[in-house]
Amino acid sequence: SQQGEEDPQALSIQEGENATMNCSYKTSINNLQWYRQNSGRGLVHLILIRSNEREKHSGRLRVTLDTSKKSSSLLITASRAADTASYFCATDAGYGGSQGNLIFGKGTKLSVKP
Amino acid sequence: NAGVMQNPRHLVRRRGQEARLRCSPMKGHSHVYWYRQLPEEGLKFMVYLQKENIIDESGMPKERFSAEFPKEGPSILRIQQVVRGDSAAYFCASSPTGGGGTEAFFGQGTRLTVV
Repeated sequence: SQQGEEDPQALSIQEGENATMNCSYKTSINNLQWYRQNSGRGLVHLILIRSNEREKHSGRLRVTLDTSKKSSSLLITASRAADTASYFCATDAGYGGSQGNLIFGKGTKLSVKP
Repeated sequence: NAGVMQNPRHLVRRRGQEARLRCSPMKGHSHVYWYRQLPEEGLKFMVYLQKENIIDESGMPKERFSAEFPKEGPSILRIQQVVRGDSAAYFCASSPTGGGGTEAFFGQGTRLTVV
């Protein structure tokens, strides 16, 4: 069953603007991860945020987690054309799930125009 | 340290043939996960293996699909008697330990096309 749901499904912005993507999930989690996938390629891990963390930064990336609302957001600041990709959130299966089993959303397609 | 290696990158099979997909985890990683991705979809978990053991195969179709991770050599995902609906990208990931708190590193995937 679908755990993470990203929105928007697609986002188009100009270079230099900020991009915000959101992810909602349904069940309790231990952590949430964000991945990037360039067209036709594998996934690149961006950031992992644990359930007891509220915010995490990595370079131009900022991730927030609100466990009360079961939601997370990924902010990319000062976007570049090279940021064009699909972005997925993934949660662990949490209680009752297999350790290590990640549950992915359908992703947000980000297009950054030069 | 090479990343997760998958081969082949592209595989074309006729209906009824067998497909064998290989995954070599990162050095030092003993936990391997297989995922399937349909076009415009997210990844769907299939199976989680440790060396010589299947830990969780709850995402594997009951028939025609099998996976192994032998003591020596790569992990293999085998699809017997392929059908058109098996066409998808299959991704392998590895991690040094199990558990949901571990970052998983993904390979480039194998794109299977069934004709």
